[in-house]
Amino acid sequence: DVVMTQSPVSLSVTVGQPASISCRSSQSLVHSDGNTYLSWFQQRPGQSPRRLICKISDRDSGVPDRFIGSGSGTDFTLKISRVEAEDVGLYYCMQATHWPHTFGQGTKLESK
Amino acid sequence: EVQLVESGGGLVQPGGSLRLSCAASGFTFTKHWMSWVRQAPGKGLECVADIKQDESEKNYVDSVKGRFTISRDNARNSLFLQMNGLRAEDTAVYYCVRNRGLQYWGQGILVTVSS
Repeated sequence: DVVMTQSPVSLSVTVGQPASISCRSSQSLVHSDGNTYLSWFQQRPGQSPRRLICKISDRDSGVPDRFIGSGSGTDFTLKISRVEAEDVGLYYCMQATHWPHTFGQGTKLESK
Repeated sequence: EVQLVESGGGLVQPGGSLRLSCAASGFTFTKHWMSWVRQAPGKGLECVADIKQDESEKNYVDSVKGRFTISRDNARNSLFLQMNGLRAEDTAVYYCVRNRGLQYWGQGILVTVSS
């Protein structure tokens, strides 16, 4: 199985400041169809996960443009340009290139 | 609006069975793969199984192979997960999710395996 490793495990950010989460996969996530199926999810306390970004950098409908995905191959990053109080929660990366689709262990974002 | 509503969870003894259902609405069910994802209490996320639009392809994570069966009823816009031989480690919130890319999620249903 593809192992997804996120860092940091947690981060505390002042509202208005940027935040960055790294995600590394144990093998390339480039699919035979040419796409890279790397997604980012947000899970607020007590809620279901919500997809923010798919295919490295495509934001889902309604996702604020302060969420920015980037990367390639095995190294990916989610950046929040200016953290807002509502961004508090857990963030997961996930690969859907290889079955079983696997998630990172999660990064807890807190506001200072 | 896409809606996914899970049902059928609850408390079951080790070795027992449960059948989860998911009622889908707000989109053309027959156009999408569907998935089940679970989250053990206080833990991360795990893709359990997924199923192609016409049921011609089904995939399972190794830990549930031979015990869980995913199916769908396209006429009733419904997704199912038959869980047999349940173990304590299957205790989790189970989410019904649209697409292999996990675009839309249900609210989840708790399955507790305990004696």
